[in-house]
Amino acid sequence: SQQGEEDPQALSIQEGENATMNCSYKTSINNLQWYRQNSGRGLVHLILIRSNEREKHSGRLRVTLDTSKKSSSLLITASRAADTASYFCATDRVLGGGGADGLTFGKGTHLIIQP
Amino acid sequence: NAGVTQTPKFQVLKTGQSMTLQCAQDMNHEYMSWYRQDPGMGLRLIHYSVGAGITDQGEVPNGYNVSRSTTEDFPLRLLSAAPSQTSVYFCASSLVRGGGNTIYFGEGSWLTVV
Repeated sequence: SQQGEEDPQALSIQEGENATMNCSYKTSINNLQWYRQNSGRGLVHLILIRSNEREKHSGRLRVTLDTSKKSSSLLITASRAADTASYFCATDRVLGGGGADGLTFGKGTHLIIQP
Repeated sequence: NAGVTQTPKFQVLKTGQSMTLQCAQDMNHEYMSWYRQDPGMGLRLIHYSVGAGITDQGEVPNGYNVSRSTTEDFPLRLLSAAPSQTSVYFCASSLVRGGGNTIYFGEGSWLTVV
């Protein structure tokens, strides 16, 4: 079953605008990651945020995490045509006994940047 | 450093045939996994391995077998292909299991079962 779900499913914006996509999850997590997938390619890691962090930046990417609302957002500023891709959030659950859980991926947000 | 290498890129099978998707990584990662990606379903975990000689089932293991005889290789076998196994398959690896690690994905294998 899906742990994380992205919203919206699809997003189309003009080049230069900011793109925001959200991820909600159901159970407590240790970590949340965002990945990008270009058409016909594998997923590429973008950013990892731990449960005790609230915000992280990487270049034009800004990720926030609100554990009280069980949600995260990915902001891409000054979008470019090359940002056209699907974006996935992935979470791991907190396991009893301290074991390490694998990542569960959402269904993705398909982002289209119009030139 | 090639990362994660998957072969073949494309394959068409007839129902009932068997085949093996190959996966190799050169990063000395302990954790390897196979996902399938279907429209509207996201990525679903098929099988995974936390080290050589150790494998376990994921969310959708039926119809698939894996083995991990070396750290580098993690092949996925389709025992008797069915149309429901038409999908895109991704092999992935990370240093260890857990969400605190970056996962590296292969480029995918497109499988069609007719």
